[in-house]
Amino acid sequence: AQSVTQPDIHITVSEGASLELRCNYSYGATPYLFWYVQSPGQGLQLLLKYFSGDTLVQGIKGFEAEFKRSQSSFNLRKPSVHWSDAAEYFCAVGDGGQAGTALIFGKGTTLSVSS
Amino acid sequence: EPEVTQTPSHQVTQMGQEVILRCVPISNHLYFYWYRQILGQKVEFLVSFYNNEISEKSEIFDDQFSVERPDGSNFTLKIRSTKLEDSAMYFCASGRVGKLFFGSGTQLSVL
Repeated sequence: AQSVTQPDIHITVSEGASLELRCNYSYGATPYLFWYVQSPGQGLQLLLKYFSGDTLVQGIKGFEAEFKRSQSSFNLRKPSVHWSDAAEYFCAVGDGGQAGTALIFGKGTTLSVSS
Repeated sequence: EPEVTQTPSHQVTQMGQEVILRCVPISNHLYFYWYRQILGQKVEFLVSFYNNEISEKSEIFDDQFSVERPDGSNFTLKIRSTKLEDSAMYFCASGRVGKLFFGSGTQLSVL
């Protein structure tokens, strides 16, 4: 079955510290992988995506993610977290071969940033 | 930057009433979607729409739900007879292959 697992429900990091949010997926076809961020009262904003090619992808706001096919993972990282990064983060997978098909989301990880 | 807009931002309704959630997708996009997020749960796909018809729908999207593109700009989700469990944040999205733009959502509360 197709699924996305984000093992960490809530993570707290200190401002300036590094961050890694975990994402594992199960998907039969070649996956398109995404990370979205949701700030309170806001919609989902795309941080980055992986389709093919270089397995380390760069996104907005200083985020990056690495696709590891052998581990079925697509972890999100940031070297130095800012207080404004506090938000809900969602990993998602989709079928890159068919436009219009659904994205499957993980349950999300809430990031809190302490000063 | 272009954006997807949704109205209203909050909707309160009585159980059994019909509601219509409205979305204005980005103008040159061809695919339109509705997702929902029940409080504390994951974002769930409801339906996708292309070329004036449903291209895919989930198990959640049963007969009480319908979508429509009544004119060249709006994309609506109708819930005919709301239930308590329909309370959620409903997100509209539009896009092209591999990239979706989401609206900020309509919070639906069914009392």
